[in-house]
Amino acid sequence: DIVMTQSPDSLAVSLGERATINCKSSQSILYSSNNKNYLAWYQQKSGQPPKLLIFWASTREPGVPDRFSGSGSGTDFTLTISSLQAEDVAVYYCQQYYNDPRTFGQGTKLEIK
Amino acid sequence: QVQLQQWGAGLLKPSETLSLTCAVYGGSFTGYYWNYIRQPPGKGLEWIGEIDHSGSTNYNPSLKSRVTISLDTSKNWFSLKLTSVTATDTAVYYCVRGRKSSGRPDAFDIWGRGTMVTISS
Repeated sequence: DIVMTQSPDSLAVSLGERATINCKSSQSILYSSNNKNYLAWYQQKSGQPPKLLIFWASTREPGVPDRFSGSGSGTDFTLTISSLQAEDVAVYYCQQYYNDPRTFGQGTKLEIK
Repeated sequence: QVQLQQWGAGLLKPSETLSLTCAVYGGSFTGYYWNYIRQPPGKGLEWIGEIDHSGSTNYNPSLKSRVTISLDTSKNWFSLKLTSVTATDTAVYYCVRGRKSSGRPDAFDIWGRGTMVTISS
């Protein structure tokens, strides 16, 4: 199985500041035939199901605010929130869909400082 | 807009069979994978398995011996059965639509609200 490891486990950021969450896969999830990274980011607010934010490592899902961005390739990826808003308090998960079983990171809890 | 509505028993005893069903409203089964994902209380997400419109299934090896996902296209729903449950199967179970790209799985884009299933004697 591909192990997804996120850092940090929790993060407190001031409103309006940048938040950065990292995700590392135990093997490359870059598919050479199409040069795409098979990685998604999800946001889960308390008591709700996860919501897809980013796919192909850097493509924003329609309707997701542009303060959310994804970057990285191969085994190292980053989710950045450029200017933290109160409604961004949540747990964030990365997930690989390169091969089965599909696996998630352990989650990063984002709070307001 | 596609919506997933799920239901099933919320309290089971050890060794019983967990059964959940998820109805798909506003969309077709074709062109997507239909998944179940679970989340133990306070913990992370675990992919259980998927089915496509043809009925082809794919399961997480860690659960494969106990899992069956089936499809009823006439009713537009898909179902999960997990046999011989134990306390470690206590979790919120989500039904989830997975996109398909060039025949390969893609991200999970639409999630049901989740069903809390508790295993307790």
